[in-house]
Amino acid sequence: QKEVEQNSGPLSVPEGAIASLNCTYSDRGSQSFFWYRQYSGKSPELIMFIYSNGDKEDGRFTAQLNKASQYVSLLIRDSQPSDSATYLCAVRDNFNKFYFGSGTKLNVKP
Amino acid sequence: ETGVTQTPRHLVMGMTNKKSLKCEQHLGHNAMYWYKQSAKKPLELMFVYNFKEQTENNSVPSRFSPECPNSSHLFLHLHTLQPEDSALYLCASSQGGLATYNEQFFGPGTRLTVL
Repeated sequence: QKEVEQNSGPLSVPEGAIASLNCTYSDRGSQSFFWYRQYSGKSPELIMFIYSNGDKEDGRFTAQLNKASQYVSLLIRDSQPSDSATYLCAVRDNFNKFYFGSGTKLNVKP
Repeated sequence: ETGVTQTPRHLVMGMTNKKSLKCEQHLGHNAMYWYKQSAKKPLELMFVYNFKEQTENNSVPSRFSPECPNSSHLFLHLHTLQPEDSALYLCASSQGGLATYNEQFFGPGTRLTVL
């Protein structure tokens, strides 16, 4: 069974700080990696994807991928209360199946 | 309409009812998915269709029956459900096949309550 592991949190950070969310995965053949944000009662919203080792930046968000360590992370700079949500890590395998972690709940305190 | 749409957004049904959930994607994708999300549980993959062919049935009870008439539409037919089937049902789509760039996008979901 291919697994995606996340710390369920909650992760609490003050407004303006950097929030760091982590994810590990079990399948070394995984090709694509995604971060979704999900507000309570809403559907997941894709915020970042990364396919190659290293960092990818998009605005306040940076995704980091280390395939050797089977580790992917999401950094949120200048965290805002509106960033408070559950963040889901997802991994796609070679058969176009997506595996999701259980999510990390982030609380950004004003 | 843009993205992935789902109807109805909310559904209340009795255990003896038959109902259907509808999903439509306007992204030109070829793969469509049904997920179940129960309270405080991770997403559970139910079904996957690639190019209209079902490629995954994740041990889903037969009271859930998917239908994919074309690459843009996906249905989930429901009958004789149980109260524990109450959940948020999410439809998603992606490029399909072995495309390298293959992000998955979700619809808004159908909140199902089984009485």
